[in-house]
Amino acid sequence: SAVISQKPSRDICQRGTSLTIQCQVDSQVTMMFWYRQQPGQSLTLIATANQGSEATYESGFVIDKFPISRPNLTFSTLTVSNMSPEDSSIYLCSVVEQESFSGANVLTFGAGSRLTVL
Amino acid sequence: KQEVTQIPAALSVPEGENLVLNCSFTDSAIYNLQWFRQDPGKGLTSLLLIQSSQREQTSGRLNASLDKSSGRSTLYIAASQPGDSATYLCAVKGGGFKTIFGAGTRLFVKA
Repeated sequence: SAVISQKPSRDICQRGTSLTIQCQVDSQVTMMFWYRQQPGQSLTLIATANQGSEATYESGFVIDKFPISRPNLTFSTLTVSNMSPEDSSIYLCSVVEQESFSGANVLTFGAGSRLTVL
Repeated sequence: KQEVTQIPAALSVPEGENLVLNCSFTDSAIYNLQWFRQDPGKGLTSLLLIQSSQREQTSGRLNASLDKSSGRSTLYIAASQPGDSATYLCAVKGGGFKTIFGAGTRLFVKA
């Protein structure tokens, strides 16, 4: 299965600053997904990132707050802009890949980036 | 709109016990259902995936079942071990590429 690397793994940020999270996949993928997991909560999809086009944002998430880049088929970045303590979460990058033996579309995640905003 | 519910929210069992985690979903038009494990502060590890045409999948001590008509899936863990302590998440993939997650079941296996 695909190996997904995220940087940073964790960071402590000051209110009002911005942070960019990187996601690197060891194979080419069409779609990459960014999720947020707030403390004690489940995962919420922020946006879907396709190479060569604008990201598609879910309800409640906007490009000005969470700009996303997808310059090629193995890399994406998510920026959390003008951070507030409410942005303290784990941010996770994921991809869908097709299993060779079953043909099933499996969702695979990176280890996540844990952000704390003071 | 698909909604995914997991019961119980938390579970504590003694080592060696067999246990069942439940997942229910409101829209039966699903593509697949995937069970994940998440350790505290970490990412998600895929455990089992059941396609909509399948009834169950097994991997080692884990068995996941799917009943689309009733909107339910269960994850059965046999002979639980302290290393199984984690949060277990159910994720349902419907039409398109969106996957909806349940809130998870926090499992604690006591030695």
